[in-house]
Amino acid sequence: SYELPQPPSVSVSPGQTASITCSGDKLGDKYVCWYQQKPGQSPVLVIYQDTKRPSGIPERFSGSNSGNTATLTISGTQAMDEADYYCQTWVGSTAVFGGGTKLTVL
Amino acid sequence: EVQLMESGGGLVQPGGSLRLSCAASGFTFSSSWMHWVRQTPGKGLVWVSRIPSHGSSTTYADSVKGRFTISRDNGKNTLYLQMNSLRAEDTAVYYCAREGNRGTMEMDVWGKGTTVNVSS
Repeated sequence: SYELPQPPSVSVSPGQTASITCSGDKLGDKYVCWYQQKPGQSPVLVIYQDTKRPSGIPERFSGSNSGNTATLTISGTQAMDEADYYCQTWVGSTAVFGGGTKLTVL
Repeated sequence: EVQLMESGGGLVQPGGSLRLSCAASGFTFSSSWMHWVRQTPGKGLVWVSRIPSHGSSTTYADSVKGRFTISRDNGKNTLYLQMNSLRAEDTAVYYCAREGNRGTMEMDVWGKGTTVNVSS
């Protein structure tokens, strides 16, 4: 089965840039999206089709996808960005989620 | 306001059955592909099932295939998940989610979830 490993945790200082990676075989040939989930809340879509932001998502969230790695980048990270982040793609007609990364803003 | 609201969760014994519902509002439900996704407490998101707007060609994760059935009633704007032969490992929060209409399977609207606890 297709897997999407993510680092379990990433730490960043306020105002700095956070990068969260998602790996998969030939992942760059697929579309990737990213979700943010804060404690006790439902996931929120923050990036779709590798690089696009849904309406209402701040410009500091950006994405890229090439080769075997997709990356979610948060520029000028704020305390409110502390959350779990999940990547997701699809294989055939099934969706696959990454294991999730806990972003801590120190 | 675009909204999804799950219901039907609860405590059930191993081997038992449960039917989850997801009421949609604020958008054209009959045109939207829909998903169920689950999350074990403290763990990650796991995709469960998907149904097209017209209700056929459903797909399932291997872990639930043959036990769970996804369905929908477009006249009632409601998505369902019939869960049979439940196991302890099915214990989770179950979310319904709308797939965006871009053909790339991102889930752009999520409900608040309903909790299923499989335990004797």
